[in-house]
Amino acid sequence: QLQLQESGPGLVKPSETLSLTCTVSGGSISSSSYSWGWIRQPPGEGLEYIGSLYYSERTYYSPSLKSRATLSVDTSKNQFSLKLSSVTAADAAVYFCASGFRYYYDSSDGAFDIWGQGTLVTVSS
Amino acid sequence: SYELTQPTSVSVSPGQTASITCSGDKLGDKHACWYHQKPGQSPILVIYQDRQRPSGIPERFSGSNSGNTATLIISGTQALDEGDYYCQAWDSSTVVFGGGTKLTVL
Repeated sequence: QLQLQESGPGLVKPSETLSLTCTVSGGSISSSSYSWGWIRQPPGEGLEYIGSLYYSERTYYSPSLKSRATLSVDTSKNQFSLKLSSVTAADAAVYFCASGFRYYYDSSDGAFDIWGQGTLVTVSS
Repeated sequence: SYELTQPTSVSVSPGQTASITCSGDKLGDKHACWYHQKPGQSPILVIYQDRQRPSGIPERFSGSNSGNTATLIISGTQALDEGDYYCQAWDSSTVVFGGGTKLTVL
């Protein structure tokens, strides 16, 4: 059973870079069967997609965050990570990592079926 | 950018059928999925590829998608079905979420 766990600082200063890691257990991050993604949720608001990838394939980003977000994979640690630069108060949210699957081979179209518990990130000096 | 629109709230009596809609331009040409989220918890996938149920999701959850609207239907709604529901689709190589619908069972 695949499980995900987010980790990283709960407090980030404005203008700095937010860095989060998601540790994967119960499956290999280098498997082409899974997608790996980040979704966030500001307090009291809805879900917002940040980005996702399939290992050794293209990385997909939200157009609104593409200029500041970077997703990466560390196969030696079975982890994937998010870096979000130049944060402001608007980036304060619960950040979820998630794993998904695609509906068709060679397509990005799919859903996220495994979610981490989420980690709250506050932006303040 | 592509948008998915959901009603802010839906109310249903226990045992009745709840319908939650998700509207987007030519959404029926894409695939929709649905997540259920309770306060303080992570979302759970309840419908994918318009009408497919993941393992462990009760049969009372069903979905459809045609034209500009995808619909999540919960038959025989139970108190434990309360919470927020989000639709999601892919458009132009990115994921789009609807704004969410709060389902109240009363």
